[in-house]
Amino acid sequence: AQKVTQAQTEISVVEKEDVTLDCVYETRDTTYYLFWYKQPPSGELVFLIRRNSFDEQNEISGRYSWNFQKSTSSFNFTITASQVVDSAVYFCALSRLSGGGADGLTFGKGTHLIIQP
Amino acid sequence: GAGVSQSPSNKVTEKGKDVELRCDPISGHTALYWYRQSLGQGLEFLIYFQGNSAPDKSGLPSDRFSAERTGGSVSTLTIQRTQQEDSAVYLCASSPPRLAHSRGTQYFGPGTRLLVL
Repeated sequence: AQKVTQAQTEISVVEKEDVTLDCVYETRDTTYYLFWYKQPPSGELVFLIRRNSFDEQNEISGRYSWNFQKSTSSFNFTITASQVVDSAVYFCALSRLSGGGADGLTFGKGTHLIIQP
Repeated sequence: GAGVSQSPSNKVTEKGKDVELRCDPISGHTALYWYRQSLGQGLEFLIYFQGNSAPDKSGLPSDRFSAERTGGSVSTLTIQRTQQEDSAVYLCASSPPRLAHSRGTQYFGPGTRLLVL
């Protein structure tokens, strides 16, 4: 069975601070995908990043960066110089690869990030 | 291009009635997924369609839930004899074909908010 744990239920920081959202996963599969999604107050899930299990290279996109460590089964997400618009619920998710793509996602419970002005 | 669309946006029904929720995936996407999001259970996978293959129904919570996908495109999720615990946001997602660079990445629609009275 697959499991995703986001231990931080809620994080509150002041604007311009850096913040890291933790994600730990469990799977018996050797190949899988990891994802981060953002859910702003409007409610729609917005795709941020997909990482393949065989690619441990860290990724940076603007103020966002992701640290994938297979040895600790973690896929952490850092926002540098946070902004009020970053306020949202962030979900980490995992899926097994299947012949045509990927199976359904297993989500963590989400981390509610509050950026105070 | 157009994203995933879902209808209706909101649905209020009485306990015991049947409801149908519709999803139009992104054009060209071969995989389609249904999830539900509720306060108590978080984000749960329900069912997954990949091309013409038999769907993965492993996430359906009871036999009151069913889904079909016609012509490899539009999907309908049907809940029979609705119960109050079925109240949730039902989300649909689609992902590109297996040979696409972004295969396995799921793009979500805005959801249908279902309230069972």
